Amino acid sequence: EPEVTQTPSHQVTQMGQEVILRCVPISNHLYFYWYRQILGQKVEFLVSFYNNEISEKSEIFDDQFSVERPDGSNFTLKIRSTKLEDSAMYFCASSVRNGDGYTFGSGTRLTVV
Amino acid sequence: GQQLNQSPQSMFIQEGEDVSMNCTSSSIFNTWLWYKQDPGEGPVLLIALYKAGELTSNGRLTAQFGITRKDSFLNISASIPSDVGIYFCAGQGNFNKFYFGSGTKLNVKP
Repeated sequence: EPEVTQTPSHQVTQMGQEVILRCVPISNHLYFYWYRQILGQKVEFLVSFYNNEISEKSEIFDDQFSVERPDGSNFTLKIRSTKLEDSAMYFCASSVRNGDGYTFGSGTRLTVV
Repeated sequence: GQQLNQSPQSMFIQEGEDVSMNCTSSSIFNTWLWYKQDPGEGPVLLIALYKAGELTSNGRLTAQFGITRKDSFLNISASIPSDVGIYFCAGQGNFNKFYFGSGTKLNVKP
């Protein structure tokens, strides 16, 4: 069964450092998303991406965040200057169409120290 | 952002029992999804609902998209130990994003 692949599975970074979280969505999917989940809390929307541009973003997705699809397969989330409160699980997801059920990756656990 | 109220927050049941959980919203949604999440893993899609009134089954799981488009429920029949996990509802309105409920933690005693 096709999967969304995320790397790394766990990243520890110093506060103020930049991190790049990587995702390989399912190959025939056209819509890509980043969500995050702070430990013990619900899954929160960050950003959706379609046709090489952001289609929606939440208030969490401020100027410190950016997304990119640098080639035909990868979809990355960059956090420019990490803060302690950025510590969370970050999930990438993809879907064929807008409104379809997403397939989520297994997540990257980001720990900012 | 939109608020989804998911209940109950947690459940402790005996193996073999049926389970019901639901989500309500103050806004109308066009799509409802139900996910299960195991510890340290990403959510796994269980059931997707696209039409008001739709009732869909996936094995022992049944979910319905409420007629008002503001609610959905998930039933699990004859629970087994591997049903343990956190169940999330998610709803999408007119924008390209889903709002997630706060989850129902299910514990099943063998």
